[in-house]
Amino acid sequence: QQQVKQSPQSLIVQKGGISIINCAYENTAFDYFPWYQQFPGKGPALLIAIRPDVSEKKEGRFTISFNKSAKQFSLHIMDSQPGDSATYFCAAYSGAGSYQLTFGKGTKLSVIP
Amino acid sequence: DTGVSQDPRHKITKRGQNVTFRCDPISEHNRLYWYRQTLGQGPEFLTYFQNEAQLEKSRLLSDRFSAERPKGSFSTLEIQRTEQGDSAMYLCASSLALAEGSTDTQYFGPGTRLTVL
Repeated sequence: QQQVKQSPQSLIVQKGGISIINCAYENTAFDYFPWYQQFPGKGPALLIAIRPDVSEKKEGRFTISFNKSAKQFSLHIMDSQPGDSATYFCAAYSGAGSYQLTFGKGTKLSVIP
Repeated sequence: DTGVSQDPRHKITKRGQNVTFRCDPISEHNRLYWYRQTLGQGPEFLTYFQNEAQLEKSRLLSDRFSAERPKGSFSTLEIQRTEQGDSAMYLCASSLALAEGSTDTQYFGPGTRLTVL
């Protein structure tokens, strides 16, 4: 049972464009939603995170939008750069009981010049 | 380097052999996690330690897998009688939990890539 569904599986964006990755979750106990960026051969690195009491969070070129009623959240990368080319994972976490992160399957982003 | 470190970075072994991986978390982080990541997938939770106590294990963690964190600092993950299906990236993460039930940020290491021939 996949508890966090992520789309699209892959994304190609031109330099300067906006990259949008979407995630949906099922477990209403989730209360923390981080996004991780992973380059080939490296471990995931935390990019930005949000809690459900906030509808949007922005850090530099990265913005998370959160819709609690729809149980959906998305990552927007503004002014996408070739250096942003990586695999992005959304994740969800419940601090009540289980502390494991549940990850989506990932989105491979390619930013072309 | 003050991040999470893992050793070795790569391990090639033959089916049936035992392997052991080590994880050194960020200093003073009290929680330590092991995840497994296969090609094209997100990391999947294996197990979690709060200090030296192993508090949660996934159903993915068969009896061939064992993890320890003897002094609440570094951790080891051992796989006995490896199978080809064990081939994956094994990731370690650590976090600092300030209170029971608190949400903490998990920081990942570079992983150990295991190939079972």
